Amino acid sequence: AQSVTQLGSHVSVSEGALVLLRCNYSSSVPPYLFWYVQYPNQGLQLLLKYTSAATLVKGINGFEAEFKKSETSFHLTKPSAHMSDAAEYFCAVSLQNEKLTFGTGTRLTIIP
Amino acid sequence: ETGVTQSPTHLIKTRGQQVTLRCSSQSGHNTVSWYQQALGQGPQFIFQYYREEENGRGNFPPRFSGLQFPNYSSELNVNALELDDSALYLCASSRDTGISYNEQFFGPGTRLTVL
Repeated sequence: AQSVTQLGSHVSVSEGALVLLRCNYSSSVPPYLFWYVQYPNQGLQLLLKYTSAATLVKGINGFEAEFKKSETSFHLTKPSAHMSDAAEYFCAVSLQNEKLTFGTGTRLTIIP
Repeated sequence: ETGVTQSPTHLIKTRGQQVTLRCSSQSGHNTVSWYQQALGQGPQFIFQYYREEENGRGNFPPRFSGLQFPNYSSELNVNALELDDSALYLCASSRDTGISYNEQFFGPGTRLTVL
């Protein structure tokens, strides 16, 4: 069975600083990996996805993530944080049946 | 193109009652998945429907059941509500194209409170 672990339930960064949200996965076969963002009282919005093409994936709002098989990681980064990035971020893994297995989430706070 | 919609937005029930949540999938989508998101947790997969048949189920008891209609909209039914059923229920739709990955699009969710 596949699983994901998100390190750090809360992350705070200053506006303009680097954002790094960590995600490690466990899967017996090559997985599909995703990052979703959730704003208060809203559903999930897909930021980016890895589906076995390029290992460096670029998403919306300036976010990107790199698939590292040797480290079983899929960390999310953004070079310069913006106040509007404050939200909950979820890493998720899927195999071919589309069922998504989510991590427990990381709440990102941006300090002005 | 209309996105995924869910109704109602909020719902309050008491223990032992039954509830029905509804989801309208995005135009052209034939697969619906339901997730439960407890407060402070990530979403947990409940089940998926494809062409009106259940197509995979997570670790949820039988009192969680569902339906998918010919227009691909879906219902989630929960019987004998328990306090722990309080959560945000998310619906996601996708279009099975026969390739190995089909992106899921999420609705805004229904927040259920069980008292």
